[in-house]
Amino acid sequence: GAVVSQHPSWVICKSGTSVKIECRSLDFQATTMFWYRQFPKQSLMLMATSNEGSKATYEQGVEKDKFLINHASLTLSTLTVTSAHPEDSSFYICSARATGPQHFGDGTRLSIL
Amino acid sequence: GENVEQHPSTLSVQEGDSAVIKCTYSDSASNYFPWYKQELGKRPQLIIDIRSNVGEKKDQRIAVTLNKTAKHFSLHITETQPEDSAVYFCAAGEAGYQKVTFGTGTKLQVIP
Repeated sequence: GAVVSQHPSWVICKSGTSVKIECRSLDFQATTMFWYRQFPKQSLMLMATSNEGSKATYEQGVEKDKFLINHASLTLSTLTVTSAHPEDSSFYICSARATGPQHFGDGTRLSIL
Repeated sequence: GENVEQHPSTLSVQEGDSAVIKCTYSDSASNYFPWYKQELGKRPQLIIDIRSNVGEKKDQRIAVTLNKTAKHFSLHITETQPEDSAVYFCAAGEAGYQKVTFGTGTKLQVIP
């Protein structure tokens, strides 16, 4: 149980385009979803926390207009990287929880050319 | 906010030996301390967690200890095996909300 699916797993796109990443809880209803960014050989940095039906709470230093988060249902949250640039290239991981601990998706490797 | 420090950053042990990873946290309000294992390119997986009303928790070869007064917690892996090789992250946060702050990670290598 507690499976979190993240899609796509890898995306390469040109600078200036927008990229949407989906995070789904497959077998439970996620009241809270988290979005992290992980640079190579570094820790997971929390970007934002989203609760179903309400606006996401962004961590300090994360541009909310750059990283749009939508949590429209109890099983789906999306992260859209708008007008992506090479410095946005990173590994993005979501996690979801109901009442227990967080369960992570497989991550999305984003490469901006 | 919470600040979590983790040591060592890399750790090599011989198969069968024990491995210990230590973390400290800064926010006395934190009461939930999970540990995650992340293999290369894969998702972090929860391996054990502990709450502040407990000083020690054990699950087969893995144990975690917590010193709330000193704001220290540690992961102990006994009888290490090559498949234990991975990056381990500690984290600290509040149990009710489950928002946690991660440590910087420890790359564990178990040498056969």
